[in-house]
Amino acid sequence: DVKVTQSSRYLVKRTGEKVFLECVQDMDHENMFWYRQDPGLGLRLIYFSYDVKMKEKGDIPEGYSVSREKKERFSLILESASTNQTSMYLCASSLIGGMNPFFGSGTQLSVL
Amino acid sequence: GQQLNQSPQSMFIQEGEDVSMNCTSSSIFNTWLWYKQDPGEGPVLLIALYKAGELTSNGRLTAQFGITRKDSFLNISASIPSDVGIYFCAATNAGGTSYGKLTFGQGTILTVHP
Repeated sequence: DVKVTQSSRYLVKRTGEKVFLECVQDMDHENMFWYRQDPGLGLRLIYFSYDVKMKEKGDIPEGYSVSREKKERFSLILESASTNQTSMYLCASSLIGGMNPFFGSGTQLSVL
Repeated sequence: GQQLNQSPQSMFIQEGEDVSMNCTSSSIFNTWLWYKQDPGEGPVLLIALYKAGELTSNGRLTAQFGITRKDSFLNISASIPSDVGIYFCAATNAGGTSYGKLTFGQGTILTVHP
């Protein structure tokens, strides 16, 4: 069974902390994505990666960075967390040219 | 970045009723997708549409890819309590440098009363 695993379901951090959200996929997918989900706004793309060490900005990259050192792992980094980054974060992966990304269960991040 | 305009934002229906939701865009896309998200889970693909005018069914779900390539709709017939969740439309332009990036609608929250 295909799997995208996000390391934490719930995370509570303080303003100014550095936060790491980890995502691992076991499907040997080339593409990996980080989305942010907010009520009434749907899912918005933060960053994506189409290969190891490659990354591209999505629609809302400000305040975030990413790291992809291995094909199966894609990390989202909040350098200095702020309250407006309180949100649900969803990781996804897909095959190169694939139009159907598989999503993880999400990490609900609260920044206090 | 652009988003798709999805409506309605929420629906409260009785079990057994049919449901209809739609999505529009100011841009053309060559692939439309419909996802469902259960509470505490990530979105799961329900139906994928790859051709303008295409009508596709998956059990009680039917979706269509608009002929203008700027819209899509999803119908659910004879709703049941487990249909509860958030439904998202998504679209992309397959091929080239799209890398499978999806643009999402705002979501439709569906509540089904037994």
